[in-house]
Parts: sequence; structure tokens; C-alpha cells
Amino acid sequence: AQTVTQSQPEMSVQEAETVTLSCTYDTSESNYYLFWYKQPPSRQMILVIRQEAYKQQNATENRFSVNFQKAAKSFSLKISDSQLGDTAMYFCAFMKQVPDKLIFGTGTRLQVFP
Amino acid sequence: NAGVTQTPKFQVLKTGQSMTLQCAQDMNHNSMYWYRQDPGMGLRLIYYSASEGTTDKGEVPNGYNVSRLNKREFSLRLESAAPSQTSVYFCASRLQGVNSPLHFGNGTRLTVT
Repeated sequence: AQTVTQSQPEMSVQEAETVTLSCTYDTSESNYYLFWYKQPPSRQMILVIRQEAYKQQNATENRFSVNFQKAAKSFSLKISDSQLGDTAMYFCAFMKQVPDKLIFGTGTRLQVFP
Repeated sequence: NAGVTQTPKFQVLKTGQSMTLQCAQDMNHNSMYWYRQDPGMGLRLIYYSASEGTTDKGEVPNGYNVSRLNKREFSLRLESAAPSQTSVYFCASRLQGVNSPLHFGNGTRLTVT
């Protein structure tokens, strides 16, 4: 069975600084997808970024980027120029192609300070 | 564009009572999911449905039943609620194929006393 591990329960960063959230996963699959979701206090689940395992290029979405290391089974999220609105829980998630069940890590609570 | 709609938003039950959480999506998605979220445990998959009429257990299915009667709707039933089922429940849906993400409802906060 696939597992997803987020080893940092809580992190904090000052506004405008850069922070990296860690995620590792365990799988024997070669084709799969990885996601980072953000959950602000509103409880809404918001997609931050996604990565296909067959793509070597790291995904980027504005201030958010990933460092995908397939051999190491690592998928970290880097947030540049942190903003107060980035304060949220961040979940790393793994999905096989079939069946397309999404498995989540336990989350990292990020606090951005002014 | 409603997306994924869950009802109710909040519910309080007494131990032993039953209830059904409703979920509907209007995006013509194939796959639908029910998760529960507990502090320190992230989101755990309860049940999954790849298509109308099919369901599959997730990580924590005990105490729950689901029904996928049509493509739009996927309901979660608690037959005899227990305090351990106090949680926030999320429904989600996804279009199969490529790397499309899950789209989530706004969640149901359930308290069992």
C-alpha cells in the first residue's frame, strides 16, 4: 500500500521569506501523480500544484514550486516570497493511475508572520 | 458553477442514531470520494467510487456505507453513529484520466455525543 509522510507537523516563516515543506512517499508504481493541497482556516481544500511522475521537470505555479526526486521518492514544496495568506495546513498527496484513489499525508501547519 | 455540493454543513447526532451525508457534483466527473479529517491524521479515504454503481473501500471503511446510484451523487451513511465518528467529512470528485486533481466540497462537521 502507498504511504505519504510529512515529517514537519508545524512550520513558521516570516513574510517575504522562502519556506520548504517536506514530503516523502512509498510506492512500487512507476506512473503516478503527486499533489500539494492547501487548507486555510475556511476549511476549503485548494489545489496548489501537481506533478506527473513521468515528467522530470519540476512543476511551478507562480510563487510555488516543487522539488521532485523520483528515485528518493521525495516531493517537497517551496513557497517563495511568503504572504500572510499562505497561512494554512498543507497536505501532500499521492495517486496511482488506476484506481485513482488519492492518499494524503498528515499535513504541515504553516504560519506566516508579518 | 456549483462544483461539489455537500449537505448538511453541520450535524450533531447521539450515539446509535443514523444519518446520510449527501454529495452531488455537476462537473460530469467519473470518480467520487468520501474522506474524513481528524486532527493530526490528515484526510483518510473512507470509500471511493470509480463509476456509477461501483464502490470500493478506502483506508477506514468500518462503520460506513455508501451509495452511488447515478453519476452525480455519492452518499455516505452512518447506520449507528459512534463518538469515534466525530470528524469533518469531505466529499470530492475527479475526472478520470490525465493528471486532473480532486475537487472538494466544503465539508460536513459531524459531532456524535
